[in-house]
Amino acid sequence: EPEVTQTPSHQVTQMGQEVILRCVPISNHLYFYWYRQILGQKVEFLVSFYNNEISEKSEIFDDQFSVERPDGSNFTLKIRSTKLEDSAMYFCASSEDLILNEKLFFGSGTQLSVL
Amino acid sequence: AQSVTQLGSHVSVSEGALVLLRCNYSSSVPPYLFWYVQYPNQGLQLLLKYTSAATLVKGINGFEAEFKKSETSFHLTKPSAHMSDAAEYFCAVRPIYGGSQGNLIFGKGTKLSVKP
Repeated sequence: EPEVTQTPSHQVTQMGQEVILRCVPISNHLYFYWYRQILGQKVEFLVSFYNNEISEKSEIFDDQFSVERPDGSNFTLKIRSTKLEDSAMYFCASSEDLILNEKLFFGSGTQLSVL
Repeated sequence: AQSVTQLGSHVSVSEGALVLLRCNYSSSVPPYLFWYVQYPNQGLQLLLKYTSAATLVKGINGFEAEFKKSETSFHLTKPSAHMSDAAEYFCAVRPIYGGSQGNLIFGKGTKLSVKP
């Protein structure tokens, strides 16, 4: 079965540094998402992306966050100046068509640790 | 606002025993409901979903869930646990009205352990 791939699996960074989390969605999918899960807490929606623009974002997704689809395959999440509270597992997801198919495919996540 | 509550962060069952993972949602309008599973070092995989058709939904790996509007519940069950079912299970909702497509609201997850 096709899968969403995320790199790296673990990322350690110093507070205040910029990080870029990378995702390769499934090739024919059109909708892309980022979610995150802080240890012991719920998986939280960050942002959805369709047709090269953000379609929705949560309160968490402030000006420190940005997303980009720089080419036909990658989908990235950038955190401009990381804070300790950004430490979490970040999941990328993609979907083919949300009218015909409710199914989101998730990657295995990037564990971000901010020191 | 929509929310999801999963009762029990850890559930332990013996191999062959019934699995019951509880999920309750809060919504004035019944939403779409999902169960996802996460095996170690893997992404979230869709187990099953309810989208206003049959209230008893069958998923992969022998799991099923029943939507009960009167109880605002969507509990996940499996008649006989297998060692390979050990994983973390997440209940999620997506509002039918309002919110974007794909903006899932997740519960905190329940870690299922299966004892031999």
